[in-house]
Amino acid sequence: EAGVTQSPTHLIKTRGQQATLRCSPISGHTSVYWYQQALGLGLQFLLWYDEGEERNRGNFPPRFSGRQFPNYSSELNVNALELEDSALYLCASSQHRGQLAKNIQYFGAGTRLSVL
Amino acid sequence: KQEVTQIPAALSVPEGENLVLNCSFTDSAIYNLQWFRQDPGKGLTSLLLIQSSQREQTSGRLNASLDKSSGRSTLYIAASQPGDSATYLCAVGTGTASKLTFGTGTRLQVTL
Repeated sequence: EAGVTQSPTHLIKTRGQQATLRCSPISGHTSVYWYQQALGLGLQFLLWYDEGEERNRGNFPPRFSGRQFPNYSSELNVNALELEDSALYLCASSQHRGQLAKNIQYFGAGTRLSVL
Repeated sequence: KQEVTQIPAALSVPEGENLVLNCSFTDSAIYNLQWFRQDPGKGLTSLLLIQSSQREQTSGRLNASLDKSSGRSTLYIAASQPGDSATYLCAVGTGTASKLTFGTGTRLQVTL
């Protein structure tokens, strides 16, 4: 069974550009989560999508946005890129069936975004 | 606001040694706690999940305990091996938002 897959592996952009990151969850998983891992800041929660809807977002500006498609895959868009957006962006998926305590999140390998 | 702290930040042990990694959290109203490992530049691998109603979970050489009332969890690694070298992260699920709050990790190096 395929795990969580993310593309691209690496992405290089310049300040002011837009970046689009993609995530395919494990088959059967309806929830997708996005996290940012910036150097020295640890893993920070960005967004949670479930059944096509945005359910929660972390403390990030509106230029971080995304969506979830009918097949449960997801895109993260970052507009007006800034140097401090350089980070590893991790996607996770889970079977969100209301049983939070049993909700294991499985992570992909990440997309490393470099903003020059 | 939930805050998660991991001690120590880095640890180096010789192969074969047993070791304990610590994780503490400020809000005891959690629904679960997960331990992950992360190899350099890679994603996260889930090691153990402890539900809030559980006290511990075991998988092979790994044992994780949870004391919700005191806001602490430990990850015990028995008979450490060089392949265990990685950063270990704990993360807690709090509230109804289904998001995880991560600690800053413990970087473990197991030497020959």
